[in-house]
Amino acid sequence: DVKVTQSSRYLVKRTGEKVFLECVQDMDHENMFWYRQDPGLGLRLIYFSYDVKMKEKGDIPEGYSVSREKKERFSLILESASTNQTSMYLCASSFLDRVIAEAFFGQGTRLTVV
Amino acid sequence: AQTVTQSQPEMSVQEAETVTLSCTYDTSESDYYLFWYKQPPSRQMILVIRQEAYKQQNATENRFSVNFQKAAKSFSLKISDSQLGDAAMYFCAYRSRNNAGNMLTFGGGTRLMVKP
Repeated sequence: DVKVTQSSRYLVKRTGEKVFLECVQDMDHENMFWYRQDPGLGLRLIYFSYDVKMKEKGDIPEGYSVSREKKERFSLILESASTNQTSMYLCASSFLDRVIAEAFFGQGTRLTVV
Repeated sequence: AQTVTQSQPEMSVQEAETVTLSCTYDTSESDYYLFWYKQPPSRQMILVIRQEAYKQQNATENRFSVNFQKAAKSFSLKISDSQLGDAAMYFCAYRSRNNAGNMLTFGGGTRLMVKP
């Protein structure tokens, strides 16, 4: 079974803190993604990566950065957390260039910034 | 850019009955994939069903089937014989076949409630 593991299910941070969300997958997937989920807005792509050290901006990258030093690990960084970044964060991974390449998701991290 | 719209924020269905969730999308591409994902209260997103745009035949997976209308850019999900375990958020998603990054574009979601 594919496993995508996010380091925390719940996180509470203070405004201005630097926040790291970690994601690890065990299926040797090339692609990894960070989405943000808010009610009524569905999932919006923050950043994705298709290879080690490669990253591409998604639809809402402002206020976020990412790091991919190893193939299996993709980190989302909030340089200076703000209350409007309170949300659910979902990590996903998939194969690159397969005929069908659905994404597999982690269990989500609910981040609250106070 | 592609957009995906789910016009029903909430739906409810009686156990054992059939319900249809709607999804429309906007794209200028001819080759793409469409997906329905389920997110139960545990928050784990699970793939329910997938459809390749070049296939005319509608995909089915046990009690789940789709009505794919390419010209109308519509992709609805039908759940037959609804069960309590079907209660969840359902998301429709689009992926371009030309998109090497394989990123999915999601709709806003539909919350399905199943009444016993």
